[in-house]
Amino acid sequence: NAGVTQTPKFRVLKTGQSMTLLCAQDMNHEYMYWYRQDPGMGLRLIHYSVGEGTTAKGEVPDGYNVSRLKKQNFLLGLESAAPSQTSVYFCASTWGTETYEQYFGPGTRLTVT
Amino acid sequence: AQSVAQPEDQVNVAEGNPLTVKCTYSVSGNPYLFWYVQYPNRGLQFLLKYITGDNLVKGSYGFEAEFNKSQTSFHLKKPSALVSDSALYFCAVRDRDTGGFKTIFGAGTRLFVKA
Repeated sequence: NAGVTQTPKFRVLKTGQSMTLLCAQDMNHEYMYWYRQDPGMGLRLIHYSVGEGTTAKGEVPDGYNVSRLKKQNFLLGLESAAPSQTSVYFCASTWGTETYEQYFGPGTRLTVT
Repeated sequence: AQSVAQPEDQVNVAEGNPLTVKCTYSVSGNPYLFWYVQYPNRGLQFLLKYITGDNLVKGSYGFEAEFNKSQTSFHLKKPSALVSDSALYFCAVRDRDTGGFKTIFGAGTRLFVKA
């Protein structure tokens, strides 16, 4: 049982390049989330999904797109990277809303130059 | 709007002493409250949560937290700190009256435990 995994762990992009971050979970969780973590700002929600084939915008969705084609995978895409997207990205999943805690992946450190 | 405040960027405590990491929240309805811990270069790990019932909740690694509705607080405590408790701690809240899809995280408090 690997829990929540993220690939890649590190990436450096030039401004304007694109990339996709992959999140996978093997706990059969319905809900999945993408956050970014910046110093002094905690975690901010980018997008989330409440089930296969569904996605919704979070607090800071601009410049990102997501897809949930399979229940176990949640992809985060950057179409045209900007230096402001330099951050650590975390994926999380949970059984459901409200009372359930989230399980987090190890993070992806992205630098955009 | 929901919000979480962790008023201290950093807490320093000596090993063996009690520790408190503070958290206050604001939600329109009734809250579900969580504490997570993050060790260097790792993802967040769940510590404990308050859903309903007893205001004092116990969690992993000897941590506990007290829910205080009148003060809208959910402070994290441990009777005797360990050097290995040094990490970044996040308080988080969900508003049960708005569906609870989203979790709002505080900015985090860095705990240093000195030997």
